[in-house]
Amino acid sequence: DGGITQSPKYLFRKEGQNVTLSCEQNLNHDAMYWYRQDPGQGLRLIYYSQIVNDFQKGDIAEGYSVSREKKESFPLTVTSAQKNPTAFYLCASSIRSGLTYEQYFGPGTRLTVT
Amino acid sequence: DAKTTQPPSMDCAEGRAANLPCNHSTISGNEYVYWYRQIHSQGPQYIIHGLKNNETNEMASLIITEDRKSSTLILPHATLRDTAVYYCIVSATNSGNTPLVFGKGTRLSVIA
Repeated sequence: DGGITQSPKYLFRKEGQNVTLSCEQNLNHDAMYWYRQDPGQGLRLIYYSQIVNDFQKGDIAEGYSVSREKKESFPLTVTSAQKNPTAFYLCASSIRSGLTYEQYFGPGTRLTVT
Repeated sequence: DAKTTQPPSMDCAEGRAANLPCNHSTISGNEYVYWYRQIHSQGPQYIIHGLKNNETNEMASLIITEDRKSSTLILPHATLRDTAVYYCIVSATNSGNTPLVFGKGTRLSVIA
């Protein structure tokens, strides 16, 4: 099946530990994104990458890091510098289609840090 | 910041049409209107998008006013599975894969 895979679905960590969230897509999409969602809120952009080996900070990049070594993969590391890391994390990818583009989302990873 | 305004919540009876409004009074000429929905604890799902003409697909219809300052998403026969948060987003098309900016959306509750 084609799509975006995020693993694991639930993740638990102790405060002070770095943790890496996986995002893989087999849609051959050029661009990939990471969003964070807190309860009752909309999605906020953390980082995005339009091509391999390039990425840009979003609105809330502090305390996070990413890499884009392969087109299919865009892992997100939540570092100990992130003050409130407990949240629902969503990965997305997109591809241009004519004059518009279509963005697709993965199932999300719910991270709990205690 | 999101460029759209949506009511925080709406109810709809099962089997009836759900009409979700969205205001985007500052929309630019090259910006499309996109609708996504998010069922609880899942990733958002694309529904439909349009520029200035009305659009219809198997999921919904999108009605955009002539001045493009507002739009309405119509789910013609709402079911309980349509209960979700619906996001209206405007985004330019000529700037590459620009990230979508999500507001808080409208929480639609379909009631049996």
